[in-house]
Amino acid sequence: DVKVTQSSRYLVKRTGEKVFLECVQDMDHENMFWYRQDPGLGLRLIYFSYDVKMKEKGDIPEGYSVSREKKERFSLILESASTNQTSMYLCASSPRDRDGYTFGSGTRLTVV
Amino acid sequence: QKEVEQDPGPLSVPEGAIVSLNCTYSNSAFQYFMWYRQYSRKGPELLMYTYSSGNKEDGRFTAQVDKSSKYISLFIRDSQPSDSATYLCAMVKPNFGNEKLTFGTGTRLTIIP
Repeated sequence: DVKVTQSSRYLVKRTGEKVFLECVQDMDHENMFWYRQDPGLGLRLIYFSYDVKMKEKGDIPEGYSVSREKKERFSLILESASTNQTSMYLCASSPRDRDGYTFGSGTRLTVV
Repeated sequence: QKEVEQDPGPLSVPEGAIVSLNCTYSNSAFQYFMWYRQYSRKGPELLMYTYSSGNKEDGRFTAQVDKSSKYISLFIRDSQPSDSATYLCAMVKPNFGNEKLTFGTGTRLTIIP
């Protein structure tokens, strides 16, 4: 069964910490995405990548960075976590066509 | 103004009822349309995908697109308690294989046994 795996389901971090969220897909997809999901705001795109070592900013990139050193892995980095980054983070991947995304189960991050 | 508008609900209907979920959009560049279902504490999963105006049916689910009105719908017939979830519409502007989705905010649906 193909899937997108996010390394943690729940995380609690302190303000100012550097946080790494990992995502791995086993479908050989070219495209990978990071979203955050908040009540009333829906899914908002943080960063995406169309190929290894490539990255592009989404709608809300401030306070985040990403890394894609291998095709199957896409990491989201919170450089200095803040309480307004408390959210559900969702990783997704897709092939280079229009078949839709496959999502991971999400990481619920709480910054205290 | 958001590019994609979706009524957040919540929507509660009795088991067996027909459910209608809707989204409107403002940009005619959107050409491909999807519906995702998201159960609590899970990631969204693709439910329906369509790219032309008209209806597409898959079991109890029907996706309807009206590009002239910039309006899409998802109908669920004979609704079941297992259909209780948040439903997200999503749409794509073609971009030479490098598309990204724009999502609605989601409608929370509860089917009452």
